[in-house]
Amino acid sequence: GAGVSQTPSNKVTEKGKYVELRCDPISGHTALYWYRQSLGQGPEFLIYFQGTGAADDSGLPNDRFFAVRPEGSVSTLKIQRTERGDSAVYLCASSWTSGGMDTQYFGPGTRLTVL
Amino acid sequence: ILNVEQSPQSLHVQEGDSTNFTCSFPSSNFYALHWYRWETAKSPEALFVMTLNGDEKKKGRISATLNTKEGYSYLYIKGSQPEDSATYLCASLVRRKLIFGQGTELSVKP
Repeated sequence: GAGVSQTPSNKVTEKGKYVELRCDPISGHTALYWYRQSLGQGPEFLIYFQGTGAADDSGLPNDRFFAVRPEGSVSTLKIQRTERGDSAVYLCASSWTSGGMDTQYFGPGTRLTVL
Repeated sequence: ILNVEQSPQSLHVQEGDSTNFTCSFPSSNFYALHWYRWETAKSPEALFVMTLNGDEKKKGRISATLNTKEGYSYLYIKGSQPEDSATYLCASLVRRKLIFGQGTELSVKP
């Protein structure tokens, strides 16, 4: 079956611009996670959804970052007034439940470059 | 602050060599440890989810062990092949979210 997909695969933007990153999880997965990987680091948790609601957004670095999952499937990560420090690979993952014992299946990521 | 540490940071081996690397994590309030393999330009691939002290899991030439009392896990690759070249990530489950180590980058030369 289809895995997790993310679009776009690459995004180059200018400092101060707004960007949206999209994630299509595996069909039927109720939990959806966003991570960010900066150069030389492991993925860093940002937010996770159980269904439509954000169950834990403690990893969002500041109020320029926001994510939605209005119908409990596709999710969009939104970044306002982008800064050079936002440049990273943004990963999305989904799992059957949010207990954490389930395998999280990752998408290929979106590489964001802020000039 | 929870720190998940992996060593070594990078590893270069010859085809046919067996290799292993380490993931260490705080042992208190342990729930689960995940291992992933991440090849360049691909999605991270799940290898194992480990929960019990003494757990050993195997997938082909790759195996992993878990010691929750002392807070470490080993990943072993027997007879490394060039296609094993990737970054290997471990992650500890904390309050339903994964905290990742920085990864071990493995390069296998033919």
